[in-house]
Amino acid sequence: GAVVSQHPSWVICKSGTSVKIECRSLDFQATTMFWYRQFPKQSLMLMATSNEGSKATYEQGVEKDKFLINHASLTLSTLTVTSAHPEDSSFYICSRTSGGLETQYFGPGTRLLVL
Amino acid sequence: GNSVTQMEGPVTLSEEAFLTINCTYTATGYPSLFWYVQYPGEGLQLLLKATKADDKGSNKGFEATYRKETTSFHLEKGSVQVSDSAVYFCALTFSGGYNKLIFGAGTRLAVHP
Repeated sequence: GAVVSQHPSWVICKSGTSVKIECRSLDFQATTMFWYRQFPKQSLMLMATSNEGSKATYEQGVEKDKFLINHASLTLSTLTVTSAHPEDSSFYICSRTSGGLETQYFGPGTRLLVL
Repeated sequence: GNSVTQMEGPVTLSEEAFLTINCTYTATGYPSLFWYVQYPGEGLQLLLKATKADDKGSNKGFEATYRKETTSFHLEKGSVQVSDSAVYFCALTFSGGYNKLIFGAGTRLAVHP
C-alpha cells in the first residue's frame, strides 16, 4: 500500500490566493522529505528538501518566500504556494527516503490549477 | 555537474516486442542508479535499482545493468505488455547527504495490443 499520501489530490484556485498541500509519511518517521514540481511531459525538478524542526533547503532558482515549506512533525510536511499565479500551475509531488537507504517513496502528487 | 540523459519518446511498441530505453549519466563519483515508473494517474514507483558497477537491477521482467565504462543504465524487457504503458524515469543519487535524486526527462512508452 501507499507509504506517502498527499492532500488534496487536485486543487483549483484564483490568482492571488494561497494554497497549502500536505504530504504525510504513513509508515515511517521521516526527518527529511522532498518536494518536486513536474511540468507536463517533463521530468521532476527538485524544489526543496524539507527538514523536520528546521528550515527547508531550497534549490537554486526556487523562491523560498513563494513556496513556504513547513515540516513540523516527523510525519507531515506542508508546501504552501503563496499568492499563486497561473504560471504556478503544475503537478507537485513529495517524497521521503527510508532511513539511511537511497530509495525514495513518492506521494501520488497534487495537481494545482491557478485561474 | 551531475545529470541524466534519456532517449526521447514516445516509444510505441506492439505487445510482446522487445523494449530498450537508453539512459546515460554524468556524475562526479559513483552514484546509485534507478529506474522509476509512473503509470497514468499515479505517483512514481521504484522499478529497479543498482548501487555499484556491474550490478544488475531487475523487477517485473525489466532489467538494467550499471555500466561504469559507458556510464549507462539502459532499461530492457524481453516482452512488453499493454500494462507496461507508462512513463519511465532514469535517476541517480549519491549515498549520504540528503539522497537528492536527479532525474532524466522521462520516456513515455505506449504498448498496443
